[in-house]
Amino acid sequence: DTEVTQTPKHLVMGMTNKKSLKCEQHMGHRAMYWYKQKAKKPPELMFVYSYEKLSINESVPSRFSPECPNSSLLNLHLHALQPEDSALYLCASSQSAADNYGYTFGSGTRLTVV
Amino acid sequence: AQSVTQPDIHITVSEGASLELRCNYSYGATPYLFWYVQSPGQGLQLLLKYFSGDTLVQGIKGFEAEFKRSQSSFNLRKPSVHWSDAAEYFCAVGVTGGGNKLTFGTGTQLKVEL
Repeated sequence: DTEVTQTPKHLVMGMTNKKSLKCEQHMGHRAMYWYKQKAKKPPELMFVYSYEKLSINESVPSRFSPECPNSSLLNLHLHALQPEDSALYLCASSQSAADNYGYTFGSGTRLTVV
Repeated sequence: AQSVTQPDIHITVSEGASLELRCNYSYGATPYLFWYVQSPGQGLQLLLKYFSGDTLVQGIKGFEAEFKRSQSSFNLRKPSVHWSDAAEYFCAVGVTGGGNKLTFGTGTQLKVEL
């Protein structure tokens, strides 16, 4: 299995809703990442998990809450989002966060906040 | 801090023609360099990567890239473009000890004319 699977593919949520994005990989990778990509822009790093521990938080607002329950699974919990948070949310994984192996990306969750 | 510049926002080539996409980086030491491709609404796929050694790197789908330290460049090339190559291309840089955090360029949108 050489894939990163993200669910759901599309999500529409209100500003008072609570929702979660899910990411799963079975490649034995020990680092997982959340990126945010606005239309016509490059991906921007949000969080890095290394060996199931949060290692990098790029000053992301607390309405985004990551969770790594095990080495194969990464969640992003969403609460009280704003319309400007609408974007493509990409999950990625790599063998390790200790060096630059390059990522395997999922196909993303297209989030619309109304 | 490291940075990446992709000078060309849009490039149009005819099918069968050669392609070169430009990427310039800024970093004091030898960086880790990557090219990713993104089709509309999809995640990013790794085309190739450079860590060290041979400065000409071969990737998937017939792409190659050449690292030129003197020019701080890592340009992507393909000798004959296919219509299916139309996509957004991102150059990215990582640095030693950077926690596998990648910084992406702004991307180049490739259009292929039949």
